[in-house]
Amino acid sequence: GEKVEQHESTLSVREGDSAVINCTYTDTASSYFPWYKQEAGKSLHFVIDIRSNVDRKQSQRLIVLLDKKAKRFSLHITATQPEDSAIYFCAGANYNVLYFGSGTKLTVEP
Amino acid sequence: DTTVKQNPRYKLARVGKPVNLICSQTMNHDTMYWYQKKPNQAPKLLLFYYDKILNREADTFEKFQSSRPNNSFCSLYIGSAGLEYSAMYLCASSRDMTGDTQYFGPGTRLLVL
Repeated sequence: GEKVEQHESTLSVREGDSAVINCTYTDTASSYFPWYKQEAGKSLHFVIDIRSNVDRKQSQRLIVLLDKKAKRFSLHITATQPEDSAIYFCAGANYNVLYFGSGTKLTVEP
Repeated sequence: DTTVKQNPRYKLARVGKPVNLICSQTMNHDTMYWYQKKPNQAPKLLLFYYDKILNREADTFEKFQSSRPNNSFCSLYIGSAGLEYSAMYLCASSRDMTGDTQYFGPGTRLLVL
């Protein structure tokens, strides 16, 4: 089955800087890659996704890049704010079964 | 409204006793999922219902049961809890099975003693 690896377990950036979280996957059939945010004491909240028919998607300060050849995708958060501090999970899926990475704890320092 | 609700939010269970967790959604989603999440680990899919059809992951097949009496509700049942079942259990739903966004509930934190 699919294995999704999230490379940074923790990441610390200064407010206003960009943060980048990288993930790799193993199954070439995976075609859907969502990202979820988990704030302290809360559940997973969908933030952005990308499908394999595109290699870039942007939603406000969030940019997702997909490199199908390298089986790699990444989340870029620009102009970080303290409220961006959370655990971010990447996932890969073929159809609806999501395989998650183990999460990256992002801390945005003032 | 993209709300998925779970009850209870916290559950204390004794080893060997059954546990029943409840999830509901009012979005008329066809698919409902149960994930297990342990600290510092990735959420792991246990099973999902597409309409009335139950799909269980191979490695958790015998450990968890589920029922979906109607479109809105889905339960997760553990017949005999073991210490290793202590975890957060997350319910999610999606409109269909074609890679649609999954919306997660707040989770039930299960502690087995």
